[in-house]
Amino acid sequence: KAGVTQTPRYLIKTRGQQVTLSCSPISGHRSVSWYQQTPGQGLQFLFEYFSETQRNKGNFPGRFSGRQFSNSRSEMNVSTLELGDSALYLCASGRAQKETQYFGPGTRLLVL
Amino acid sequence: DQQVKQNSPSLSVQEGRISILNCDYTNSMFDYFLWYKKYPAEGPTFLISISSIKDKNEDGRFTVFLNKSAKHLSLHIVPSQPGDSAVYFCAAKIDSNSGYALNFGKGTSLLVTP
Repeated sequence: KAGVTQTPRYLIKTRGQQVTLSCSPISGHRSVSWYQQTPGQGLQFLFEYFSETQRNKGNFPGRFSGRQFSNSRSEMNVSTLELGDSALYLCASGRAQKETQYFGPGTRLLVL
Repeated sequence: DQQVKQNSPSLSVQEGRISILNCDYTNSMFDYFLWYKKYPAEGPTFLISISSIKDKNEDGRFTVFLNKSAKHLSLHIVPSQPGDSAVYFCAAKIDSNSGYALNFGKGTSLLVTP
């Protein structure tokens, strides 16, 4: 069974630009969560989607948004990029609320 | 506000010995706890979990202990192997809530030396 895939793996953007990251969950998984990992703050929860609905949201500004499609694939968008948005963005998928979530390899975003 | 804390950024242990990784939490609503392991350039990999109704859970060489009154959990690895060298993250969630939002600690880097 294929794992969680994230594209692209690496990305370089400049301040003020916007970026879209993609996540394909494990087949059969309907929950997709996004996390930001930085050296200073560690792993922080961004948001979670289940059956195309945002179910939970972390404490991030409105520049961070996401969506989930009917095939459970998810995208995350960051608008008006700031230097501090440079991070590893991780996606995790799970079958349901009580099930373990499995992480993808992440997208490394560098904002110059 | 960091609700899950791993106060030791790094730990070095000899092969064959026990590795003990510690984690403290502040939110008394947390009732489900997990440990993940992360290698460089990979996403975190689930290791073991424990519900607040238990105080111990074992899976092979890995055992997690939960002390609810102290809001403390620990991961024991026995015996430690060089392949266990990785960053270990403790995570917590409120299981009764709908959804899946994990609160992570900042991680402990474990080095197991031959």
